Amino acid sequence: EPEVTQTPSHQVTQMGQEVILRCVPISNHLYFYWYRQILGQKVEFLVSFYNNEISEKSEIFDDQFSVERPDGSNFTLKIRSTKLEDSAMYFCASSGSSGPQETQYFGPGTRLLVL
Amino acid sequence: AQKITQTQPGMFVQEKEAVTLDCTYDTSDPSYGLFWYKQPSSGEMIFLIYQGSYDQQNATEGRYSLNFQKARKSANLVISASQLGDSAMYFCATLGYQPGANNLFFGTGTRLTVIP
Repeated sequence: EPEVTQTPSHQVTQMGQEVILRCVPISNHLYFYWYRQILGQKVEFLVSFYNNEISEKSEIFDDQFSVERPDGSNFTLKIRSTKLEDSAMYFCASSGSSGPQETQYFGPGTRLLVL
Repeated sequence: AQKITQTQPGMFVQEKEAVTLDCTYDTSDPSYGLFWYKQPSSGEMIFLIYQGSYDQQNATEGRYSLNFQKARKSANLVISASQLGDSAMYFCATLGYQPGANNLFFGTGTRLTVIP
């Protein structure tokens, strides 16, 4: 069964450093998303991406965040200058070609710890 | 604007019994989807079940069913014949079908513990 994959599973970084989180969405999906979950809290939407551009973003997704689809398979989230409060689980998700209302399938997440 | 309320921070159920996890929502979208996801201790988010706001019948997926009451804006998850592996966090979420609202909005979750 096709699945979303994410690398790395864990990332530890120093405050102020740049991190890139990588995702490979399900191959025939067209809509891609990043969510985050601070420890013990609910999952929060960051950004959605379709047709090589951002379609929606939340207030959390400020100028330190960027997303890219560098090739036909990868979808990345870059945090330029990490802060302590960026420590969270970051989930990538994708949904199919019928429209953004389709079910979103999540990857296993990248646990980011900023020291 | 969307709001999801899961009033049960924790629930216990005996193995092989059924359990209902509550979810109420508030949305201004005329059409929307309701989703339940399971998050085991390992952290991944696993899709369980989906209900469209215009679906006439309650959704079912194996041991999972969704008790959808549109007028009451509730979308409770029913797990039948609970298994030890069902112990996890369960999140209810809505998805708007309007432009600018196509992201999942999650509740705070319910931690389910299945007792042997």
